[in-house]
Amino acid sequence: EIVLTQSPGTLSLSPGERATFSCRASQRVSGSYLAWYQQKPGQAPRLLIFGASNRADGIPDRFSASGSGTDFTLTISRLELEDFAVYYCQQFDTSPYTFGQGTKVDIK
Amino acid sequence: EMQLLESGGGFVQPGGSLRLSCAASGFTFRAYAMNWVRQAPGKGLEWVSAISGGADNDRNTNYAESVKGRFTISRENSKNTLFLQLDSLRDEDTAVYYCARDRCSSCYYQYGMDVWGQGTTVTVSS
Repeated sequence: EIVLTQSPGTLSLSPGERATFSCRASQRVSGSYLAWYQQKPGQAPRLLIFGASNRADGIPDRFSASGSGTDFTLTISRLELEDFAVYYCQQFDTSPYTFGQGTKVDIK
Repeated sequence: EMQLLESGGGFVQPGGSLRLSCAASGFTFRAYAMNWVRQAPGKGLEWVSAISGGADNDRNTNYAESVKGRFTISRENSKNTLFLQLDSLRDEDTAVYYCARDRCSSCYYQYGMDVWGQGTTVTVSS
């Protein structure tokens, strides 16, 4: 099973600041099969990024992502109030299609 | 509008069974791989199971190790419905269960889940 480790566990930032999240895989993941999601309390997750770097439909361009192999990164260039949430990475390279444990972004 | 609507959750004793359903609308259901994802109270997301889209005689299923042998995923394309049969339930299966669609139509692999239901709650307790 591929273990995805996200860091940090929590990010405390202010609106307008830049947020950077890390997702590290225990073994190589093809970038085609790495996705990022956002989840707000009481809501279902929302797909942000697929294929390691492609924004899903309707996702603003302040969200960007990159990475390959075992190291992947999600960046929010300037945080808006609606971006304070929990972010998860997930791999579809090898079943089981594991999630990371999540990074919470809260308001500083 | 693309929608997924889960049902079938409830309260069950350890060792019991439940059958979850997910009704799809607004897209060509048979063309998409589908997933179940769960979230225990206050915890992160856990992928549970997936089933491929496409031909009925070429169905591929996958499971998380924690549910393998106890849960069974299936689909009925004629009714645009996804199922998850939960048997031999344990306390640790308590969670909100989401169904979710992969974003890629008629693809062999999955790339990301872009349509989600609102979830149905399963509570396992004696």
